[in-house]
Amino acid sequence: DGGITQSPKYLFRKEGQNVTLSCEQNLNHDAMYWYRQDPGQGLRLIYYSQIVNDFQKGDIAEGYSVSREKKESFPLTVTSAQKNPTAFYLCASSRGSGYSYEQYFGPGTRLTVT
Amino acid sequence: AQTVTQSQPEMSVQEAETVTLSCTYDTSENNYYLFWYKQPPSRQMILVIRQEAYKQQNATENRFSVNFQKAAKSFSLKISDSQLGDTAMYFCAFPTGTASKLTFGTGTRLQVTL
Repeated sequence: DGGITQSPKYLFRKEGQNVTLSCEQNLNHDAMYWYRQDPGQGLRLIYYSQIVNDFQKGDIAEGYSVSREKKESFPLTVTSAQKNPTAFYLCASSRGSGYSYEQYFGPGTRLTVT
Repeated sequence: AQTVTQSQPEMSVQEAETVTLSCTYDTSENNYYLFWYKQPPSRQMILVIRQEAYKQQNATENRFSVNFQKAAKSFSLKISDSQLGDTAMYFCAFPTGTASKLTFGTGTRLQVTL
């Protein structure tokens, strides 16, 4: 089955530690995205990548980093510089990066930092 | 800046009834798409329906339809014959920029009751 996988589903970390969230897709999509969701808010874009070896900052990139070494994979690292990292993180992909392409989402990772 | 507004934080509807969720947006672009996503308690984001702005005809997907008013920048979602499985958060989303980054509204929590 084609789809997007995110692991783990729940992640717990101590403050001051970096943590990497995994996102893999087998849809052969060119574009991938990372969103953050907080209670009572919509999704906010952290980073996106339109093609392998290229990515751009979204609206709330501070304290996060990404890589896109393979078409299928777009891992997100939450660094210790992120002031409020506890949130639900969603990865998405789309066939292309034009405005007509719908995005498909993974099941998400709930990150808790204490 | 492009914005998406959902003015109904919560709504309730009885099973088999019809409910309409509202969404307004602001953009200076002429050609674009609009999307409604559903997020059930599992938190998986699922595309419900999409509308092409240059098409006069409102999109329909089974029990889901939209009322798209381009001049008013309004994009409401109508759910007919509501089912318990429709209970979810519903997000209106609008792609911005060349990379189809999605700007989301804050969501409407819909509860379908017996």
